[in-house]
Amino acid sequence: NAGVTQTPKFQVLKTGQSMTLQCAQDMNHEYMSWYRQDPGMGLRLIHYSVGAGITDQGEVPNGYNVSRSTTEDFPLRLLSAAPSQTSVYFCASTKGYNQPQHFGDGTRLSIL
Amino acid sequence: DAKTTQPPSMDCAEGRAANLPCNHSTISGNEYVYWYRQIHSQGPQYIIHGLKNNETNEMASLIITEDRKSSTLILPHATLRDTAVYYCIVRQTNTGNQFYFGTGTSLTVIP
Repeated sequence: NAGVTQTPKFQVLKTGQSMTLQCAQDMNHEYMSWYRQDPGMGLRLIHYSVGAGITDQGEVPNGYNVSRSTTEDFPLRLLSAAPSQTSVYFCASTKGYNQPQHFGDGTRLSIL
Repeated sequence: DAKTTQPPSMDCAEGRAANLPCNHSTISGNEYVYWYRQIHSQGPQYIIHGLKNNETNEMASLIITEDRKSSTLILPHATLRDTAVYYCIVRQTNTGNQFYFGTGTSLTVIP
């Protein structure tokens, strides 16, 4: 049982490039979320999903796209990377309502 | 939306109890209070959660006031490894089961 797995752990991009951050969980959790964390700040919600085929926007969705075709996977796409998207990205999953979230180890993304 | 307020930083002597307060005055009746911590830039680690009764597990105790407007996380015997940022969290009701993190309390355990 690996929990929540994020890949890659580190990535450097040039402005304008696109990429996909991967997130997979093996706990059969319905709820999954993406957060970003900027230096000295708490986590901010980007997008979330309450089940396969269902996604919605969080607090800071602009510049990001998500899809949820399976229960296990919840990829985050940067459409055209900008320096303001330099951050640490965390994926999380939870079994259901009022249950704790389980977090991955994060992806550290730098955009030049 | 329910939000939380925490002191930005606290110190605690090693071996003593660390008491971390949190205000969540706008919490609604069916929302739980969750506590997480983050060490360096690792993923947040779940500690404990509760609705209205006090809770205890192997890591910590959670004391929730009767009016549920505030809570306190207690680390009974703080160690150097407990140095971390501690987040008191409630869900945002308009985003399903998703959490509002805030900026947390940076706890430093002093030898």
